[in-house]
Amino acid sequence: DAKTTQPTSMDCAEGRAANLPCNHSTISGNEYVYWYRQIHSQGPQYIIHGLKNNETNEMASLIITEDRKSSTLILPHATLRDTAVYYCIVRDFGNEKLTFGTGTRLTIIP
Amino acid sequence: KAGVTQTPRYLIKTRGQQVTLSCSPISGHRSVSWYQQTPGQGLQFLFEYFSETQRNKGNFPGRFSGRQFSNSRSEMNVSTLELGDSALYLCASSLLKSQETQYFGPGTRLLVL
Repeated sequence: DAKTTQPTSMDCAEGRAANLPCNHSTISGNEYVYWYRQIHSQGPQYIIHGLKNNETNEMASLIITEDRKSSTLILPHATLRDTAVYYCIVRDFGNEKLTFGTGTRLTIIP
Repeated sequence: KAGVTQTPRYLIKTRGQQVTLSCSPISGHRSVSWYQQTPGQGLQFLFEYFSETQRNKGNFPGRFSGRQFSNSRSEMNVSTLELGDSALYLCASSLLKSQETQYFGPGTRLLVL
């Protein structure tokens, strides 16, 4: 699986959009970009995933660059409950193994 | 639909003992994966089961084993526990063998004394 690089930590004001970047410069054509988050001591929560196109669901939006070497997770209106560690993962379709990096610790500030 | 459930949620054992952890996947899900999370190593993949067969295995010693039953429920076993096995053990399930999205349970926190 390709490796990902994420900032160690970020802060965001409550109510603002949180933009979390991820670099995956060695991603291959059949690898998806997944985002999970983990609130302290809980199991990781699936957020969103994509291959080439931008994706949006009720939780977030995923913007993938045209060359697929980086992506951004957008939480449109951050709340205090969005404080968590966010993991960006690239994964080969059909491979059940998820390789987690160190993630970004996002703190939402009141 | 109920999520992934794991039992027990907390466990304390002593070195040399063995432990069995249980995972019930989301109804209808057939693939179960196990992960270990420690402060030092982060989240690491242990193994994955589909249709009662281990399909993928991470880089862990043979003391770590697992199995899956016909109802897709899974157990993992750690024998001869070491202090370093203290961790949060997470189970994740997905619908099919190549299903994209894994959904995680709350985890079992194991403390080895």
